[in-house]
Amino acid sequence: GEQVEQLPSILRVQEGSSASINCTYENSASNYFPWYKQEPGENPKLIIDIRSNMERKQTQGLIVLLDKKAKRFSLHITDTQPGDSAMYFCAASVDNNAPRFGAGTKLSVKP
Amino acid sequence: EAGVTQSPRYAVLQEGQAVSFWCDPISGHDTLYWYQQPRDQGPQLLVYFRDEAVIDNSQLPSDRFSAVRPKGTNSTLKIQSAKQGDTATYLCASSPWTGGGTLYFGAGTRLSVL
Repeated sequence: GEQVEQLPSILRVQEGSSASINCTYENSASNYFPWYKQEPGENPKLIIDIRSNMERKQTQGLIVLLDKKAKRFSLHITDTQPGDSAMYFCAASVDNNAPRFGAGTKLSVKP
Repeated sequence: EAGVTQSPRYAVLQEGQAVSFWCDPISGHDTLYWYQQPRDQGPQLLVYFRDEAVIDNSQLPSDRFSAVRPKGTNSTLKIQSAKQGDTATYLCASSPWTGGGTLYFGAGTRLSVL
């Protein structure tokens, strides 16, 4: 099945700096790449996604990059705030198939 | 608009006991997913349905787990004989059947098997 690798597992940054999370996938047919944020005790919520017809997408301090050749995609959070502290999960899917998730990155933003 | 509803929120079992989890998806969402999320790990797909049909249950431990969605709306996930390794949060999600889209997750059921 689809395997999604996510790194780093733990990320600590200073408030105001940027944070980057990287994911790789196996199936070259993957065409949808969402990112979810999960706060403690809460359910995962979509924060940004990108489809395979794009290489970059940006919204509200979040940037997603997709390199289909390398089968790699990444999330970049600019100007991090303490409220950005959470678990972040990348995922990949092919057409209507269920997304497979990475193992997660625990982001801590220090004031 | 009501979100995905799951019950119970918590369950504590002894090994060998059975438990059922219930999920009510967002109205109009024909696709329903069950994921298992061990502590500090990513959600791992167990099974998903389109309407009442199972699309993929290859990751569901079939000897002890079962899942149904008889009318294409609510769904039940059952563990027949729980093991300590089943300790995790069980997340239900729903979405429309489109080519890749947002999953809306319920609050989850946190299961502890002692």
